[in-house]
Amino acid sequence: EVQLLESGGGLVQPGGSLRLSCEASGFTFSSYAMSWVRQAAGKGLEWVSEISGSGDSRYYADSVKGRFTISRDNSKNTLFLQMNSLRAEDTAVYYCAKEPTPTAGFYFDYWGQGSLVTVSS
Amino acid sequence: DIQMTQSPSSLSASVGDRVTITCRASQGISNYVAWYQQKPGKVPKVLIYAASTLHSGVPSRFSGSGSGTEFTLTISSLQPEDVATYYCQKYDSAPLTFGGGTKVEI
Repeated sequence: EVQLLESGGGLVQPGGSLRLSCEASGFTFSSYAMSWVRQAAGKGLEWVSEISGSGDSRYYADSVKGRFTISRDNSKNTLFLQMNSLRAEDTAVYYCAKEPTPTAGFYFDYWGQGSLVTVSS
Repeated sequence: DIQMTQSPSSLSASVGDRVTITCRASQGISNYVAWYQQKPGKVPKVLIYAASTLHSGVPSRFSGSGSGTEFTLTISSLQPEDVATYYCQKYDSAPLTFGGGTKVEI
């Protein structure tokens, strides 16, 4: 059974940093691209970042480019999102999502339960 | 970047009704569209990918069609458990943009 478990969310001041983790199980982690998708309260879904199965290819939404970094540790089946220079508008539930192929650029066939990030003073 | 415009933003229908949701891409994206269902307080689930392929376990009352710039999600006979917000998503290339969502009520 595919399981994705996010952690690392919390309250952070504007300008601060936070690192999200997503521990994966139930599939061969290195064989699949992964993404982060966020959702502000009462709002729609926003894709944030994507990384290929090998980690060689990474993509970012314009809204986070230069501030967020996606990475993965295939030996530990874990996906990361390093978030720097956080702003109030980054407040959202962050989901990690699995894609059905190792190459980036697909839909999401499994989602984690989400981790809440709140940026406020 | 290619934008995905979903319509309507909300709708109300009766049990048994046929419901259609439309998603328009600002440029052609072949059939690289997926549809998701998000029930209140729950995680999104994929319903359809490649514009018209039903994901495993999804009821057959859901169907998708379209290619290029116009795509539709159809619920052939609306059920009470279909109350949710539905999103389209393009995945031809990054950014993997979502539509704004359609809230479906009974």
